[in-house]
Amino acid sequence: ETGVTQTPRHLVMGMTNKKSLKCEQHLGHNAMYWYKQSAKKPLELMFVYNFKEQTENNSVPSRFSPECPNSSHLFLHLHTLQPEDSALYLCASSQPGGRGDTGELFFGEGSRLTVL
Amino acid sequence: SQQGEEDPQALSIQEGENATMNCSYKTSINNLQWYRQNSGRGLVHLILIRSNEREKHSGRLRVTLDTSKKSSSLLITASRAADTASYFCATVPNSGYALNFGKGTSLLVTP
Repeated sequence: ETGVTQTPRHLVMGMTNKKSLKCEQHLGHNAMYWYKQSAKKPLELMFVYNFKEQTENNSVPSRFSPECPNSSHLFLHLHTLQPEDSALYLCASSQPGGRGDTGELFFGEGSRLTVL
Repeated sequence: SQQGEEDPQALSIQEGENATMNCSYKTSINNLQWYRQNSGRGLVHLILIRSNEREKHSGRLRVTLDTSKKSSSLLITASRAADTASYFCATVPNSGYALNFGKGTSLLVTP
């Protein structure tokens, strides 16, 4: 148990569906992250939030829409996805550091997404 | 890219042997971190080494950092079957907030 909980653990959706992934952390951190992990590829950073403000958007398509209502919760809203978006989506949190000095990330177990 | 690049991509050893994984990166860093991932699970932080440190130990793990060569190594001594996992190094670009990961080294430890 890392203190970061992701739901659902598995999700199957059609290309026209709208769904959301949820992440909750109980560690008192103020930085939260979404990463995408596809087979045979490095982890891809998607979004970074520091104190509820988005500080990085790594050129993610608009069919992925993040939401951070408070420092403990992070959502990833999904709509009109493509089959190539099938992947493991990982949420992480950390204490915020200065630029270039991020500390240890605590990851959730991930949400395995399959787009049909 | 600031991503770390791990080498080798895959490593297969027997229990009791040592496993060494290497990581290279491209630009200046403040710290370098190593993570472990069991199949289909989240990543778990193993160790963080700062740019002014050359070596760090944690249990059976030993990490070295050579900033002049922009490289790091992770040594797992006396490996066990339970060490089977993927291992990733991660760095943060000086202009950014988030860790960039490499593709990882897949380690298989056979009994």
